[in-house]
Amino acid sequence: ETGVTQSPTHLIKTRGQQVTLRCSSQSGHNTVSWYQQALGQGPQFIFQYYREEENGRGNFPPRFSGLQFPNYSSELNVNALELDDSALYLCASSFNRGLGTNEKLFFGSGTQLSVL
Amino acid sequence: EDQVTQSPEALRLQEGESSSLNCSYTVSGLRGLFWYRQDPGKGPEFLFTLYSAGEEKEKERLKATLTKKESFLHITAPKPEDSATYLCAVQESGGGADGLTFGKGTHLIIQP
Repeated sequence: ETGVTQSPTHLIKTRGQQVTLRCSSQSGHNTVSWYQQALGQGPQFIFQYYREEENGRGNFPPRFSGLQFPNYSSELNVNALELDDSALYLCASSFNRGLGTNEKLFFGSGTQLSVL
Repeated sequence: EDQVTQSPEALRLQEGESSSLNCSYTVSGLRGLFWYRQDPGKGPEFLFTLYSAGEEKEKERLKATLTKKESFLHITAPKPEDSATYLCAVQESGGGADGLTFGKGTHLIIQP
């Protein structure tokens, strides 16, 4: 059973640029969610995808967008990067039996994004 | 107002010295309360899910309990390998699927 893998592990961008982060879900999982973790803080929910559709979103602006593919891999896109976007971005996969349920999440090791 | 508050922020214990971590929460309805462990440079690792007041779960030296307003993570006779940040998270009940709301965590250090 493979775990959740994220790429790249580290990334440096400048303000105003765009970035795409990638995640490969654990085998058999149909749901993926993304979290932002600032230094010294707990993870903050960005959004969740279930069967390729966004079905939940946290308090993040539209410049944060995502995709989930038929093989349940996923992307997080951030446009017009700001300095405050510097953080660890975590992908988590899970198997949900239906909308509204949330089984335990399996997290990847994250992508550390630095915006200069 | 924070929905999930964890205390203490940091805790240093001697090996074998038992203690408890606290997680207090304010939500209109609780779907589930989760405990995770996070090591430096890694993503959170799932420990427990609790669904209703009075529920308890155990795993090795860890035991999680839940009341209507808070949860405790009890650590019995800890070892240095238990050193990590322990995160508490809640999921609110209601329509649709929402993510977890995490606390800031308790940074636990176990000294040999």
